[in-house]
Parts: sequence; C-alpha cells; structure tokens
Amino acid sequence: DVKVTQSSRYLVKRTGEKVFLECVQDMDHENMFWYRQDPGLGLRLIYFSYDVKMKEKGDIPEGYSVSREKKERFSLILESASTNQTSMYLCASSLSTGIRNQPQHFGDGTRLSIL
Amino acid sequence: AQKITQTQPGMFVQEKEAVTLDCTYDTSDPSYGLFWYKQPSSGEMIFLIYQGSYDQQNATEGRYSLNFQKARKSANLVISASQLGDSAMYFCAMREGENTGFQKLVFGTGTRLLVSP
Repeated sequence: DVKVTQSSRYLVKRTGEKVFLECVQDMDHENMFWYRQDPGLGLRLIYFSYDVKMKEKGDIPEGYSVSREKKERFSLILESASTNQTSMYLCASSLSTGIRNQPQHFGDGTRLSIL
Repeated sequence: AQKITQTQPGMFVQEKEAVTLDCTYDTSDPSYGLFWYKQPSSGEMIFLIYQGSYDQQNATEGRYSLNFQKARKSANLVISASQLGDSAMYFCAMREGENTGFQKLVFGTGTRLLVSP
C-alpha cells in the first residue's frame, strides 16, 4: 500500500513565523502535490512537483514556497505565516505517465492554525 | 469558470438505501479522467472510483458506481446499500489531458453525506 506521511496532524504557529510542512511518500512516485482545503472551497492546488528539484505553481501559490531535494520528500514552506493561511493542508503523490486511472494518494492532512 | 460543480452541500440517506451524489464538469479537452474521493472525519482522502472519458462502460467498484453521461458532462456517484461508515465528505475531481500523463487534479467543493440508522 502507498503510504504518504505528513509530519504533523495539528500545528499551531504565530503570525510572521516561518513554517515548514513535511511530506514523505514511500512508493517512489514522481509526482507530489500540496493542497489546502477550506470549507466550501474544496481542495485547491498550491504547488506540485514532477521530479526532484522541479516545482510548478498551482492555483494559489502566493505566500508559499516548496522544496523537493529528494524524490520521496516534498516540503511546503510558509515564508511568513499569516492568519489567512489557517487551513487544512493535504499532501499527495502519484506515479507519472503510463497509467490512465492512476489516482493521487493522500496523506492524513495537517491542520494548521496561525494565531 | 468552475470546472467541477457539486451542487449538493449535504445529503441524508437511511442505512441500506442507495444515494446519488451529483457532479458536473466543464472541459474542452476530449481526453480527461474523473475521480471520486471520500474524506471521513479523520481527514484522509480515500480514492473510490475512476472514469476515463473514452471508457464505454460506467465504472463500478463494489458498492460504488459512476453514472457517466458524457453529453451532459455529468459523473454522478451512486452508492448502493448505504452503511453508517459511508458518512463522510465526498469530492469529485477531474484530470485533463489523460493521454499526456499530466497529473493535475481539479476538485469540486464536496458533498457531505450523512447516513442514518
């Protein structure tokens, strides 16, 4: 079974802090994703990566950056946390080309509160 | 414009009954895939079922089936014989460019399903 592990289930930080959310997958997947989930808005893509050291902006990248130094690890960074970044953050991974019905596999999520 | 629309914020169903969760989508790409995910209160997203735009038959996975109506651009999830454990949030998602292997998913806003005894 694919395992996507997010480092924290719950996190509380202060405004202005630099926040790191870590995600590790154990299935040698090429693609990794970071989403945020807010009530009534569904999941929105922040950043994704299709290879080591590669990154692409998603739909809402402002205020975030990412790092992918190793294939299995994808980090989301809030450079200077703000209260409007309080949200549920979900990491996902998937295989690359070749399999049409290949789903994204998700971690359990990190509920981040910025005070 | 919304690419994935789930018009039902909440649905109620009694145990053992069937329920349909609606999903409509918008794309001009002839090659796309549609996914349904379940999110229990614990937070993890569980993949349920997939339908490709070129698939001739509706997808089925156990108690889950997908009512795919391509001309109407709808991909409704049908859960038969509902169980209490089906109470969760359900998300419809679309991936365009299926033949390219490009992996970006677009999600709807979700439908919360509550199954009562």
